[in-house]
Amino acid sequence: EVQLVESGGGLVQPGGSLRLSCAASGFTFSNYDMHWVRQAPGKGLEWVSAISAGGDKTYYTDSVKGRFTMSRDNSMNTLYLHMTSLRAEDTAVYFCASRYCTGNICYPLDSWGQGTLVTVSS
Amino acid sequence: EIVLTQSPGTLSLSPGERATLSCRASQSVSSSYLAWYQQKPGQAPRLLIYGASSRATGIPDRFRASGSGTDFTLTISRLEPEDFAVYYCQQYVRSPWTFGQGTKVEIK
Repeated sequence: EVQLVESGGGLVQPGGSLRLSCAASGFTFSNYDMHWVRQAPGKGLEWVSAISAGGDKTYYTDSVKGRFTMSRDNSMNTLYLHMTSLRAEDTAVYFCASRYCTGNICYPLDSWGQGTLVTVSS
Repeated sequence: EIVLTQSPGTLSLSPGERATLSCRASQSVSSSYLAWYQQKPGQAPRLLIYGASSRATGIPDRFRASGSGTDFTLTISRLEPEDFAVYYCQQYVRSPWTFGQGTKVEIK
């Protein structure tokens, strides 16, 4: 059974830092691109960042570029999101999700974790 | 950036009725890399449709989707009580992998 379990969320002051983790099991983690998607309270889904299966390519939405860093440890089947210079507008539930690509065909986000809440407030 | 606009914002229907949701892209979504997700309160999104029209594993056939280019549609043929939720479209052709703002299907 595919499982993605996020952790690391919590309350942080504006300007602070936080590192989220996503532990993966039940599939060959190193074969999958991984994504972070967030959802502010009462709002819609917002794609945040992605990392290639091998970890050599990363992508970010403009609002987090230069502040968030996504990484992965394929030996530990774990995904990370290091967030710095946090702002009130970063307050959201952060989901990790997996995406499979083979050859020239890619699929959307087919497995999701339950999310971890990040609250940025003084 | 590909902007996705979903309509309507809210759909008020009764169980057994048909729901038609629209997703319009600001530019063509090549290879029909358009997905639909369902999200219920307090839950993670669930993949329903990929490739604009293919149902994900375990998705009942009352969920049908179509479209290409810039116009896409999700149809739920007969609403079951468990179908009342928020639905999002997403393009996954290139970064940023944008979502639409969502359509809430609520019980009338």
